[in-house]
Amino acid sequence: DGGITQSPKYLFRKEGQNVTLSCEQNLNHDAMYWYRQDPGQGLRLIYYSQIVNDFQKGDIAEGYSVSREKKESFPLTVTSAQKNPTAFYLCASSKLAGIETQYFGPGTRLLVL
Amino acid sequence: GQQVMQIPQYQHVQEGEDFTTYCNSSTTLSNIQWYKQRPGGHPVFLIQLVKSGEVKKQKRLTFQFGEAKKNSSLHITATQTTDVGTYFCALDAGNMLTFGGGTRLMVKP
Repeated sequence: DGGITQSPKYLFRKEGQNVTLSCEQNLNHDAMYWYRQDPGQGLRLIYYSQIVNDFQKGDIAEGYSVSREKKESFPLTVTSAQKNPTAFYLCASSKLAGIETQYFGPGTRLLVL
Repeated sequence: GQQVMQIPQYQHVQEGEDFTTYCNSSTTLSNIQWYKQRPGGHPVFLIQLVKSGEVKKQKRLTFQFGEAKKNSSLHITATQTTDVGTYFCALDAGNMLTFGGGTRLMVKP
């Protein structure tokens, strides 16, 4: 059963705390992406990775960090520098980087306590 | 840079009415994709258009790519409550996909 999984579904963060969102895919896709979605809004690109051990900043990378040590995994860390982290975070992957069709995970809702 | 405008931002319709969302680009596109996100869900790929003037249908959904490849539309005939959600266009911008702001469709039964 192929697809993209994200965990947890809901995540609570305390002030000043770093939290890490998990994203795993077994589609053998080279490219992976992280988006942020605020209520009633569109998708904003945080980071993307075209290949293992490589990643690039998107439009709103400040306050976030990523790693891509394995092809299957692209975790996102929301750092304490991100002052307004409450949002819906979506991970996606595509076979290759660029304008390929993207497949999305179910998302993680992050709430600040 | 690439400008993507998707209109309208919101649309309320009575069940059975038609619905259309438009996606406009400031530059000529190589292709355009459409996605649907149900409330509380994640975006799901619907279709890709590549050719100038291309029209594709999926049951009650009709997708069209403009002759100049700068705009696209998604038309739903006789909406149903299952059509509720946000429809996003996505287009190439510097060899990356850029998503439009989406059109949120609400259907009154």
